Amino acid sequence: SQTIHQWPATLVQPVGSPLSLECTVEGTSNPNLYWYRQAAGRGLQLLFYSVGIGQISSEVPQNLSASRPQDRQFILSSKKLLLSDSGFYLCAWIPGISNTEAFFGQGTRLTVV
Amino acid sequence: ILNVEQSPQSLHVQEGDSTNFTCSFPSSNFYALHWYRWETAKSPEALFVMTLNGDEKKKGRISATLNTKEGYSYLYIKGSQPEDSATYLCASAPGGGATNKLIFGTGTLLAVQP
Repeated sequence: SQTIHQWPATLVQPVGSPLSLECTVEGTSNPNLYWYRQAAGRGLQLLFYSVGIGQISSEVPQNLSASRPQDRQFILSSKKLLLSDSGFYLCAWIPGISNTEAFFGQGTRLTVV
Repeated sequence: ILNVEQSPQSLHVQEGDSTNFTCSFPSSNFYALHWYRWETAKSPEALFVMTLNGDEKKKGRISATLNTKEGYSYLYIKGSQPEDSATYLCASAPGGGATNKLIFGTGTLLAVQP
């Protein structure tokens, strides 16, 4: 069966520090991968998605970047965190066929102080 | 409607009450509509993926309907239980295709009092 792992679960980082969140999927190949963020009082916002190795699409301009160095690995990064980067980050994958549900990681609660 | 919108934002009901929420989405370029249940400290879990106008799906006490022409979906919970307390998210998958992007609403937070 397919599983998705995301870590760390919680993170407190000072402003200006770097960030690296990792997401890996097991039990499938060539998944579509997504990074979402939920800021305080808001819904899930799509940040990045990837349909294959090295293929990254950004949905909103921001202080973050994403990379997909391997088929089942998706990384969210920042060189210098801002206070506004605080939020709950979710990694998700969807099988590469239409009309199928998304599967989510456990999420990372990021607090920038 | 340009975005996915959900109402109400929050809902408090008593155990045994039936309730329903609304999700509005862009009807143009419609491909699929998803419903997810998100409990605190857990990952969102899929309830339904709906594609056909007039479709109705059911899972236990939870059911959903879809109107793609007018761009709305209703989620119903019959006889709410405390364990139904969660945030209910809907998401539109406009255009479908290879990207399968999901555009989420802000969710409806349901609290069921015993």
